[in-house]
Amino acid sequence: LAKTTQPISMDSYEGQEVNITCSHNNIATNDYITWYQQFPSQGPRFIIQGYKTKVTNEVASLFIPADRKSSTLSLPRVSLSDTAVYYCLVGDISGNTPLVFGKGTRLSVIA
Amino acid sequence: EAGVTQFPSHSVIEKGQTVTLRCDPISGHDNLYWYRRVMGKEIKFLLHFVKESKQDESGMPNNRFLAERTGGTYSTLKVQPAELEDSGVYFCASGKQETQYFGPGTRLLVL
Repeated sequence: LAKTTQPISMDSYEGQEVNITCSHNNIATNDYITWYQQFPSQGPRFIIQGYKTKVTNEVASLFIPADRKSSTLSLPRVSLSDTAVYYCLVGDISGNTPLVFGKGTRLSVIA
Repeated sequence: EAGVTQFPSHSVIEKGQTVTLRCDPISGHDNLYWYRRVMGKEIKFLLHFVKESKQDESGMPNNRFLAERTGGTYSTLKVQPAELEDSGVYFCASGKQETQYFGPGTRLLVL
């Protein structure tokens, strides 16, 4: 049973900002939230990770409210090459708990 | 820095044969994980090494699967004898603490 819940699919036009929200109601104190991107025939690619508040890197931002029961991945100005499946995962800081993958969110970017 | 590498990228074998998959983690990563995706399903955890020790092998489907990580560097996953339902994509990931980095996967087809 996946620890997270996220939309099955989303569509967006090129150049728009895309926000994908994930629910993780049973997140534990020692859990981090990690987002991965996966293209067909490739392995999941690490995008961003956070524990609380806001994290930003060169490709995305991650917003985590104070209760940490959800998180939102924000992709600024998406392009066609951002079409992929995005996974939201929670995992223990020690790395000793396996990642539990759900179906992810299939993002389709349209020209 | 080189990422996680996996060999072979593809393997097609007949039912009853043996196949060995190899994973080379990112240098310095003590944690090494194996996951797999069978057709139409989510990515599922198989097992977790910390250095050369098996930390968690709760996801291994049966005793036809044998994973090793001698010396705490690369890992092998052997399937013997292979069955049709073993077909899928086998991913390896390595990491330090809470972050896992995935390899490109090995696509296994058992005929």
